[in-house]
Amino acid sequence: KNQVEQSPQSLIILEGKNCTLQCNYTVSPFSNLRWYKQDTGRGPVSLTIMTFSENTKSNGRYTATLDADTKQSSLHITASQLSDSASYICVVEGGDKYIFGTGTRLKVLA
Amino acid sequence: EAGVTQSPTHLIKTRGQQVTLRCSPISGHTSVYWYQQALGLGLQFLLWYDEGEERNRGNFPPRFSGRQFPNYSSELNVNALELEDSALYLCASSLELYRGRNQPQHFGDGTRLSIL
Repeated sequence: KNQVEQSPQSLIILEGKNCTLQCNYTVSPFSNLRWYKQDTGRGPVSLTIMTFSENTKSNGRYTATLDADTKQSSLHITASQLSDSASYICVVEGGDKYIFGTGTRLKVLA
Repeated sequence: EAGVTQSPTHLIKTRGQQVTLRCSPISGHTSVYWYQQALGLGLQFLLWYDEGEERNRGNFPPRFSGRQFPNYSSELNVNALELEDSALYLCASSLELYRGRNQPQHFGDGTRLSIL
């Protein structure tokens, strides 16, 4: 069964700290893995897209990694800011399907 | 560049009614996707249109339908509304399918549908 699982479900960190979000998937065939940021009440915004051959991709303070062998990805946020408070969604595209994880809700406190 | 726009932003309906949601993609994008995001759940894929044709459909009953117009805008229709249809309905657009995969999807801010 095609699945995308994210952990933790929620996370609270202090401003300035780093954090890492996890995504494990069992989607086949595999085309790419995407990370999105969704602010409350808004649509998701694309952070990174990685194909099978890419194992790291950065977008500012966001760095995504992909291990296609173990089918795991992580999103590392460096020097967190209050504006990073949002849900982070991992999405795997396989065939003509997009399989979404349920997201990690991140809260950054001052 | 204008982003993906959806209308209306909020809607309240009662069980059994019908609703039409609208989406205008980013200029130059020919693919439009519809998703349902129920409270506390992840996004669920509903429909994908490209160049006016339905390319794929998620696991939703036939009362969920849609279409894409020649200008690439799209409508999502839901008939015989049920309480569990209450959700945020998100539309996304991307460049045409045959430019290759790995194109980012750009999302609108959704229509929040409440069923009473």
